[in-house]
Amino acid sequence: KQEVTQIPAALSVPEGENLVLNCSFTDSAIYNLQWFRQDPGKGLTSLLLIQSSQREQTSGRLNASLDKSSGRSTLYIAASQPGDSATYLCAAGGFKTIFGAGTRLFVKA
Amino acid sequence: KAGVTQTPRYLIKTRGQQVTLSCSPISGHRSVSWYQQTPGQGLQFLFEYFSETQRNKGNFPGRFSGRQFSNSRSEMNVSTLELGDSALYLCASSPYRDSDEKLFFGSGTQLSVL
Repeated sequence: KQEVTQIPAALSVPEGENLVLNCSFTDSAIYNLQWFRQDPGKGLTSLLLIQSSQREQTSGRLNASLDKSSGRSTLYIAASQPGDSATYLCAAGGFKTIFGAGTRLFVKA
Repeated sequence: KAGVTQTPRYLIKTRGQQVTLSCSPISGHRSVSWYQQTPGQGLQFLFEYFSETQRNKGNFPGRFSGRQFSNSRSEMNVSTLELGDSALYLCASSPYRDSDEKLFFGSGTQLSVL
């Protein structure tokens, strides 16, 4: 049974700081790993998708890596901004997409 | 291109009632999946439909059911509502649910059971 864990559960950083969010999964038989952003009371917005055969993906200030052998993915956010404040969720894609509990990020101006 | 549309946005029901939620996927998307989000359990997979057929199902009781129509629109139904069914229900669509496809989510239906 796939289990996805995200660390830390919450994070508060000053504006401009670079930060790393961590995601681990127990079953390496995934076909992709996605990172999402969720604002309060809203749906999820897909940020990055890494297929199981890939190692990383980049979009603007965001970079996500995937290491299937160790069951880990990281989301790197460069030069954080107050607008980045949200909950970030990772999801292990398979027959059933399994989500982590998320990391709540607050970026202070 | 319109995004994923979920209706209604908010619902208030009482215990024992039933409820139907609707999801219209992005045009051309044939896979629709449903999720329940609660503060305690997070996001949990309910089921996924593709071309009117349920392909995958999560670990929810039979009170939770769904269907998909020929135009890919999907509905989910919860019968005999319980207090614990209060949650944000999200649906997501993708073209075929292939490994290179992102999931696109709607804004959700917030269900409150009193």
